[in-house]
Amino acid sequence: GAVVSQHPSRVICKSGTSVKIECRSLDFQATTMFWYRQFPKQSLMLMATSNEGSKATYEQGVEKDKFLINHASLTLSTLTVTSAHPEDSSFYICSAPTGTGDEKLFFGSGTQLSVL
Amino acid sequence: QKEVEQDPGPLSVPEGAIVSLNCTYSNSAFQYFMWYRQYSRKGPELLMYTYSSGNKEDGRFTAQVDKSSKYISLFIRDSQPSDSATYLCAMSGGGNNRLAFGKGNQVVVIP
Repeated sequence: GAVVSQHPSRVICKSGTSVKIECRSLDFQATTMFWYRQFPKQSLMLMATSNEGSKATYEQGVEKDKFLINHASLTLSTLTVTSAHPEDSSFYICSAPTGTGDEKLFFGSGTQLSVL
Repeated sequence: QKEVEQDPGPLSVPEGAIVSLNCTYSNSAFQYFMWYRQYSRKGPELLMYTYSSGNKEDGRFTAQVDKSSKYISLFIRDSQPSDSATYLCAMSGGGNNRLAFGKGNQVVVIP
């Protein structure tokens, strides 16, 4: 299957700092990428849809100023958690479709964010 | 009623047993059905994919879709300890890759 690379895999930071997470499609181009958040023993919660060359679309209840998304190229999307607080601690996962119309999503390996 | 219902488990089985997982859904527009496997603190990995109704087999894994009952299943034969993971069902009506996910079912295969 298609490969989606996500870095870093784990981040520990102090409260008030910003953290950037990168998501790359390695062997295909992705005009759209999705960012999810997952709490322990819970399912994936869609946060936003990242669109190459245009603004991201945020789900209801997700603060766009807190979670900045940039999709600068067809293979890279970034999520920046600004002024992180302990309640932002979570597992963040990106995903991308291959664009072949089969609705398959391929996921990155996830980033565990811990805010102290 | 949630769009996708999946019993979170956990489900413990002895090695070699058949694992049976299922999801029900309410949206009759769903046409694309997937099962993902997620190991602890890793991203989900696409395991099985089915379009519309029917069965699909891949090695020890079989996925079944019954659109008339709005019910999908995943069977794992000859389960191995390495199958211990959380299994998420996912589905879509098509057109925008916005998948509806089940809660995930934690499976533990005991050696």
